[in-house]
This record gives sequence, structure tokens and C-alpha cells, in this order.
Amino acid sequence: DQQVKQNSPSLSVQEGRISILNCDYTNSMFDYFLWYKKYPAEGPTFLISISSIKDKNEDGRFTVFLNKSAKHLSLHIVPSQPGDSAVYFCAASEEVDAGGTSYGKLTFGQGTILTVHP
Amino acid sequence: DGGITQSPKYLFRKEGQNVTLSCEQNLNHDAMYWYRQDPGQGLRLIYYSQIVNDFQKGDIAEGYSVSREKKESFPLTVTSAQKNPTAFYLCASSAGGNQPQHFGDGTRLSIL
Repeated sequence: DQQVKQNSPSLSVQEGRISILNCDYTNSMFDYFLWYKKYPAEGPTFLISISSIKDKNEDGRFTVFLNKSAKHLSLHIVPSQPGDSAVYFCAASEEVDAGGTSYGKLTFGQGTILTVHP
Repeated sequence: DGGITQSPKYLFRKEGQNVTLSCEQNLNHDAMYWYRQDPGQGLRLIYYSQIVNDFQKGDIAEGYSVSREKKESFPLTVTSAQKNPTAFYLCASSAGGNQPQHFGDGTRLSIL
């Protein structure tokens, strides 16, 4: 049962244009969402996150949008650069309770390969 | 430089053999995690540890074991009971709660 889904395995955009990566989730207990970027043979690198109390978070060229009613989030990269070419994973975690049973555990999507052409 | 070091980068295992993957962090993080990545799939949680001398099973713990005797170290043993061990293994750490997890560069395990 895939609780976090990235339905587009790949995305190709032109340099300077906007890249939009999408992610859907099914678990209504998720309340914190993150995007990671990964190059081949390396570990993922944290990009940006958003709490469920917000609907938008921006950091430079990266903006994450959260639509809780649709259980959907997206990552916008503007403008896209060739160095942005990588695999992008969205991830989600449940509320951390007093017992700590969801202590930062992340559930990842399958990833989307972004290719930015010069 | 603060970070997470995984070793070795490549590891080969013979049938029936246990192997141990190393993960060391100098970020002073309390929480550490082990994930497995298979081709075309996301990362799946094997084990995690919130604090020294404590750890919990993740979603795919069967065939794996861990220890957390020191804050800096969280080694993962892939036992012979793990029937499909070929994968890319990633270790991560975080300050806890909703702090982002920071990842090492992974160990690729293959069966001879």
C-alpha cells in the first residue's frame, strides 16, 4: 500500500522554464512533508519542507505547495537549471506523539527523474 | 566537516554470509535511520533509533539487525535470512522530531 505516490516517473523541461513535480498521499495522519533531491550513487539531499498548518513555503527558486483537502503537494522550481537534473523524492511524516512512536519516520514516494535541457 | 559517513561504498556478499554496513555521524544527532532503495522505488525504512541503546523496527526489518551502542554509530547487519539483499542502503540522522534527515552517500550491496 503506497501511502505516498509520485505518479510521474520522469519530467523533462527546458532551462529557464518552470519545473512542477507532484506528489499525492493517502494517510491523513501525515502532517509534515519534505522534498529531497538525489544524484546517482549519492544520498538524498534535503531541499525544502512544509508543515500541514501552511499551504506554501518558499526558499529561493524552490516553492512547495500543499493542498490538504486534495492530499496533494507539489514542488515548483523556477527558473529550472541544468544542475537541477536529478531524482526528486517527496516524503511525509506523521505527527510526533508524546510516546514518540512516529519520531521522524519518513514515508517516501517512488521519485521523479527531472531532466533540465540547456 | 560535519556529516554522515557510510562504508564501504560497495560490498559483495556470498550466499549464507552476514555482512555489516557501517554508518557514523558527527552531527551530534540523536536519531538515526537505515533505508533500502531498490531500482524504481522510493526509500523504505529498515530500522531506526531515537536514542543510544534503543531502536525500533521499520517497515522491512526482517533479515536485518542493528545496534546503537554509541550516539555516533548505527551499524546495520544484513543476515543470511535476508533473501533479497541486493540493494542500495542509505543511512540517515536527524536532530529528532520533524527536523530534516541528513543522508550518507550509501552502500551498494551485491550478491556474488
